[in-house]
Amino acid sequence: ENQVEHSPHFLGPQQGDVASMSCTYSVSRFNNLQWYRQNTGMGPKHLLSMYSAGYEKQKGRLNATLLKNGSSLYITAVQPEDSATYFCARAGAGGFKTIFGAGTRLFVKA
Amino acid sequence: DTEVTQTPKHLVMGMTNKKSLKCEQHMGHRAMYWYKQKAKKPPELMFVYSYEKLSINESVPSRFSPECPNSSLLNLHLHALQPEDSALYLCASSQVDLLTYNEQFFGPGTRLTVL
Repeated sequence: ENQVEHSPHFLGPQQGDVASMSCTYSVSRFNNLQWYRQNTGMGPKHLLSMYSAGYEKQKGRLNATLLKNGSSLYITAVQPEDSATYFCARAGAGGFKTIFGAGTRLFVKA
Repeated sequence: DTEVTQTPKHLVMGMTNKKSLKCEQHMGHRAMYWYKQKAKKPPELMFVYSYEKLSINESVPSRFSPECPNSSLLNLHLHALQPEDSALYLCASSQVDLLTYNEQFFGPGTRLTVL
């Protein structure tokens, strides 16, 4: 129940491409899901939160969808500065307990 | 001010030392978190404080002792650590209302090395 799986583990698109990544989880009580980005040597930075299945959210070049047991994140027109590790995180029962997936490492080739 | 600050940035300690990590935020957040992150791994939740009271302890060994002296400060006291405790220790804060509590703001972390 506490596992969050990412796919792929590594992504290496060319500059200007669309980067697509996803996470899946099994959960008996769903609360909400967030995407975070972490650059090397820094703490994670919150990108998006989503609250119910079927939900879609867009923020700049980021587009995320929430399914019953997973989420997809798309980054359009990727730039080298988008290179980072992207984590999906879900809230467990009780709200504050946040479980991060292993992440997708994105490296954008110039 | 949307920043979470952590001190020190780096810490090297022996297994018999006692040290403390400090975290501060001035966003009015009433939930504060400690995470441990090993290289190339996701952050793992250790402790959560809500309104200055310990809300979650993820079965963390007693050699890690958290403290929340007020709504802006969070400490992690370290004693008799093991080399496997070497990691990046991240502090985060968030609101506690139902819609936004999981938008966590993270500090840059303290890189801890235990010799």
